[in-house]
Amino acid sequence: GNSVTQMEGPVTLSEEAFLTINCTYTATGYPSLFWYVQYPGEGLQLLLKATKADDKGSNKGFEATYRKETTSFHLEKGSVQVSDSAVYFCALGFPTGGGNKLTFGTGTQLKVEL
Amino acid sequence: DGGITQSPKYLFRKEGQNVTLSCEQNLNHDAMYWYRQDPGQGLRLIYYSQIVNDFQKGDIAEGYSVSREKKESFPLTVTSAQKNPTAFYLCASSKSHRITGNTIYFGEGSWLTVV
Repeated sequence: GNSVTQMEGPVTLSEEAFLTINCTYTATGYPSLFWYVQYPGEGLQLLLKATKADDKGSNKGFEATYRKETTSFHLEKGSVQVSDSAVYFCALGFPTGGGNKLTFGTGTQLKVEL
Repeated sequence: DGGITQSPKYLFRKEGQNVTLSCEQNLNHDAMYWYRQDPGQGLRLIYYSQIVNDFQKGDIAEGYSVSREKKESFPLTVTSAQKNPTAFYLCASSKSHRITGNTIYFGEGSWLTVV
């Protein structure tokens, strides 16, 4: 079956530090890949996505590149801010006749300190 | 503004009672979903609906029921048969069940606590 593995958190960084959150996946075929962000007490917001190999998704200074050869979609940001503190979820999905279902990782909590 | 509205934000239920969580969207999306989130875990799919009057079980449908009588509404009922209902429930929608190029949008969530 499909699965997503994320690095365990919490990840604690100082402001302006470089961020990497690892995400690898297992899937049959070629899924679309997503990063969602969840702020405390809120729902999930789409951060970025990539629909095919070598695509780079980017938004708000965050980037992730769809690497088919390593089945990875690592999230990066060059300089984090306190406001980036949240839980980040990696997810994959397929356009199947069974519906638009996403498989999520367990989430990685990011804490950014001054 | 367009979006997904879930209500109530917080709900307390006594054991043995059924409760219904509301989800309304004004995005004109065809597909709608319900996910459950437990602490330290990812999201798990409960039910999804691709079009009006149609819905399918997700990975953890036992103890839940849904209806899709209108395009904009997808209420979730947590029945007394659900053994561990305390969780954060997220409703979502997307334009189509075809995922490529389509994004799933989430509501703000509803906290259900069984007392």
